[in-house]
Order: sequence, then structure tokens, then C-alpha cells
Amino acid sequence: DTAVSQTPKYLVTQMGNDKSIKCEQNLGHDTMYWYKQDSKKFLKIMFSYNNKELIINETVPNRFSPKSPDKAHLNLHINSLELGDSAVYFCASSPRIYYEQYFGPGTRLTVT
Amino acid sequence: EDQVTQSPEALRLQEGESSSLNCSYTVSGLRGLFWYRQDPGKGPEFLFTLYSAGEEKEKERLKATLTKKESFLHITAPKPEDSATYLCAVQAGAGSYQLTFGKGTKLSVIP
Repeated sequence: DTAVSQTPKYLVTQMGNDKSIKCEQNLGHDTMYWYKQDSKKFLKIMFSYNNKELIINETVPNRFSPKSPDKAHLNLHINSLELGDSAVYFCASSPRIYYEQYFGPGTRLTVT
Repeated sequence: EDQVTQSPEALRLQEGESSSLNCSYTVSGLRGLFWYRQDPGKGPEFLFTLYSAGEEKEKERLKATLTKKESFLHITAPKPEDSATYLCAVQAGAGSYQLTFGKGTKLSVIP
């Protein structure tokens, strides 16, 4: 059973389009996260929700908007995609805020 | 600002040749230090959490240790399947919820 799953795994799209990435966890965790891993493999936090409440909102363009319909899901919507948005996006979850995080397999976004 | 520096950037070992990876950190009030393993094309896989200086944790050929300024990941008699990028991350106290990651050490174990 997949603990943290993301769809799609690959996403190729053109500049200016709007796209969404979905994340689901079946671990019963309270906290979920979105990370961006750039071409240099550096992993950086973008957002975090705890019990559906936004608790981390790093300095990212407001074209990126997270949505958490329930504790098990955290989606990422990106408007007006730009070339610089190309990266691998990881979803993660943790039992509570300060606990270890479990990552999904990643979504490789390529903007052409 | 929290900072995490990992060294070396890359490490090649012969199978069975033990070594250590370093993670030095600057953080205001460490709540926890985390080690992850990342294989190509996959998400990071959780290995260990260390909370206080002097703490040690072991899993198979890996042993993580923590001091007030750095953490080491010791790899004893590595095998080719230990090849991966090892990431270190810190979580500060005082209401800071996020993990700050280092850039990782890419380990290659040659048969």
C-alpha cells in the first residue's frame, strides 16, 4: 500500500497554462507539506497544513496555491506556469507538526 | 537563519570501506535533526531523528550521531545498495515548523 501518493508523476505543459498536482496520504497523519526540489537537488519547503490549517507559507509566487479538502489530501494548484517552475515537487506528511516526514514519489513538472 | 551544510558533496567508496558523512548546522534551538536517504527518481526516505547531543541511532550498516554543532552518518562495511544521496535536515524550536535541508551527500559504493 502506498503511504503518500502523488498524481501525476510526470507533467509536461506549456508556459501560461494552469495545472494541479494531487497528493493523498493513507497514514492517518495530521500534517502535510509541499516541497520543491530544483535542478541542483536542493529541497525547499513551500507550504504546510496541519489539520487543514495553513501553518507554513514560504515566500513563493502567489501563482502557487495549496488546497486541503481534508486531512488526507493536499493539492497544489499553479497558475500561469513559467519556465522557472520546472522542478520536482514532493508532497510529504507527518504524524504531528514536529515529527518525521514521509515523502511521496514526486511529480516532475516540465514547463516548455 | 537556519543553515545546514553537508560534506563531502560526493563520496565514492569501495564495498566494505567504512566512512562517515558530515552534517553541520546552525539553528536557533534545535528541536530535531533528521537523516533521509534519496534514490534517483524517488522521494526522500526517512532514516533517523536525533534530538539531543550525545544521542545515537543505528539501522543495519548506518549509525547516526549528534553533537551540538554537527551530526555524522557512519556507514560500516557499505554495500552497493547503500548508494544514494543522503540528506540531513534540521527543525528549529520556538514555533518553527519546517525542515531546513542540506544539499546532500551523493554516496557511490563500488563493488
